[in-house]
Amino acid sequence: NAGVTQTPKFRILKIGQSMTLQCTQDMNHNYMYWYRQDPGMGLKLIYYSVGAGITDKGEVPNGYNVSRSTTEDFPLRLELAAPSQTSVYFCASTPAVTDTQYFGPGTRLTVL
Amino acid sequence: AQSVTQLGSHVSVSEGALVLLRCNYSSSVPPYLFWYVQYPNQGLQLLLKYTSAATLVKGINGFEAEFKKSETSFHLTKPSAHMSDAAEYFCAVRHNSGGYQKVTFGIGTKLQVIP
Repeated sequence: NAGVTQTPKFRILKIGQSMTLQCTQDMNHNYMYWYRQDPGMGLKLIYYSVGAGITDKGEVPNGYNVSRSTTEDFPLRLELAAPSQTSVYFCASTPAVTDTQYFGPGTRLTVL
Repeated sequence: AQSVTQLGSHVSVSEGALVLLRCNYSSSVPPYLFWYVQYPNQGLQLLLKYTSAATLVKGINGFEAEFKKSETSFHLTKPSAHMSDAAEYFCAVRHNSGGYQKVTFGIGTKLQVIP
């Protein structure tokens, strides 16, 4: 099992550009999450999904969109990149909310 | 609101000394509590979790945590710090929000181990 994979590992965007952060898990987990991590702020939940076709907002959803067309994939879309979106983004999955979350290696995004 | 408070964003200990990382939580449902560790430039990985089976929970790498309901605490300890324990540690709690259960993470505690 590859676990949770994320691409790309690093990306630099210009203000106003758009991009999609990819996340794939091969563990057949229903729950998937997108977090952003900023220094001294811990992890903030952006969006989550409880199964294919079901997504909902987390704490900091503004400027982001998600979709969940399959169990395996949970891409995160940035439509108009802003400097405030400079962060490290982590995707995670779990079979149940009371169970362990499995994290991907992260995507380091810089918006200039 | 459900929350997790980690006291001390940075903790320094000498190699071989006791490690104590503090976590207090609030939860309106029976809590599921987690400790995760993040090594530099990596994602988080589970150290241990409390699911009401036993109040003293043992995890990987010699870490353990004790659930104390009266104090709403779930502090992480290790008797003797090793250089490889230098990392950031996150406490997390399961809670209900908007009809779904989610996990909220604390802000993290960076552990420095001094030779």
